[in-house]
Amino acid sequence: EIVLTQSPATLSLSPGERATLSCRASQSISSYLAWYQHKRGQAPRLLIYETSNRATGIPARFSGSGSGTDFTLTISSLEPEDFAVYYCQQRSNWLYTFGQGTNLEIK
Amino acid sequence: EVQLLESGGGLVRPGGSLRLSCAASGFTFSSYAMSWVRQAPGKGLEWVSAIRDTGYYTYYADSVKGQFTISRDNSKNTLYLQMNSLRAEDTAIYYCAKGEQGAFDLWGRGTLVTVSS
Repeated sequence: EIVLTQSPATLSLSPGERATLSCRASQSISSYLAWYQHKRGQAPRLLIYETSNRATGIPARFSGSGSGTDFTLTISSLEPEDFAVYYCQQRSNWLYTFGQGTNLEIK
Repeated sequence: EVQLLESGGGLVRPGGSLRLSCAASGFTFSSYAMSWVRQAPGKGLEWVSAIRDTGYYTYYADSVKGQFTISRDNSKNTLYLQMNSLRAEDTAIYYCAKGEQGAFDLWGRGTLVTVSS
């Protein structure tokens, strides 16, 4: 099983600041790496698929990058609605795993 | 409207069974792989099971293999999850999700399963 480790566990920033979230895989994975935003009481929302492609309707301030075992989600300038929990997710041979999440909180 | 709507959750005793359903609308259900993902209280997201578009191929997390069965009825645009021998650690919100390019691009609102005596 491929394990995804996200860091940091909690990130405290202010609106307008840049957020950089990391996701490291236990072994090299394909480009099937996605990022989600999850707010309490809501369904998770797909932000990025295949490492760097923004999903439909996702603002340009969200971007994804990486390859091999190291992947990054960047939010260029935080808006108040961006404070939430973020998960990375991979698919390998039709088996999926999620990272444990990064809680992005208002400083 | 494109949506997924889960049902069938509730309170069940340890060792009991439950069948979840997920009704899809607004897209060609038979063309997409589907999955179940759960979130236990205070925990992160955990992928549970997936089924390919035709229903011929199914996949499970090790934590539920042999305990849960995923299926689909493309004529009814509905996804199912049969859960047997339920344990306290199966308590979670269960989401159904539509698969696309290795990710989940559409999610339902979830249904709560509570396993308790």
